[in-house]
Amino acid sequence: GESVGLHLPTLSVQEGDNSIINCAYSNSASDYFIWYKQESGKGPQFIIDIRSNMDKRQGQRVTVLLNKTVKHLSLQIAATQPGDSAVYFCAVRVSGGYNKLIFGAGTRLAVHP
Amino acid sequence: NAGVMQNPRHLVRRRGQEARLRCSPMKGHSHVYWYRQLPEEGLKFMVYLQKENIIDESGMPKERFSAEFPKEGPSILRIQQVVRGDSAAYFCASSPPKENTEAFFGQGTRLTVV
Repeated sequence: GESVGLHLPTLSVQEGDNSIINCAYSNSASDYFIWYKQESGKGPQFIIDIRSNMDKRQGQRVTVLLNKTVKHLSLQIAATQPGDSAVYFCAVRVSGGYNKLIFGAGTRLAVHP
Repeated sequence: NAGVMQNPRHLVRRRGQEARLRCSPMKGHSHVYWYRQLPEEGLKFMVYLQKENIIDESGMPKERFSAEFPKEGPSILRIQQVVRGDSAAYFCASSPPKENTEAFFGQGTRLTVV
């Protein structure tokens, strides 16, 4: 079955630095990948997504990179701010066109002033 | 346009009682998903419903758990005879009636079984 894992459980960065959060997935048939941000006591908030026919997608201060060869996904946050402190999850959609998602365990990002 | 609304936000039940969790999807969304999150873990898919239909319940425990999404009213996740291991955050997400569209999550219901 599908599994999604993260390389680092906690990431501490200085304010203004760039952050990189990594994620590995196991099913090469996965076609849609999403990054979510979850603040304490809240639900997951969509950050950025990417489909399997792309290898890079950029948003506002965030970039997602997809390496299908090694089944690896990363989220890059530029100029990290204290408000970026949260737990970040990657999620992979199981094929079928609907939102049955397999979530990774999460990486906690701590931004220090 | 209000987001996905879940209530209650916090629910405390004694072992053996029933828990009912409610989810009102975003306006125009007819697809609802329920996920469970244990502390320090990612979300786990439970069930996917459309109006009056359960489409995929592959993540639902075989006993004590049920879900519905009636024609009128919110989606309900029902847990009968709760046990301590049911303590978790339960999240609902909704999406429009189209394939390959993003799902939006509610703020969750935190269930504590004492």
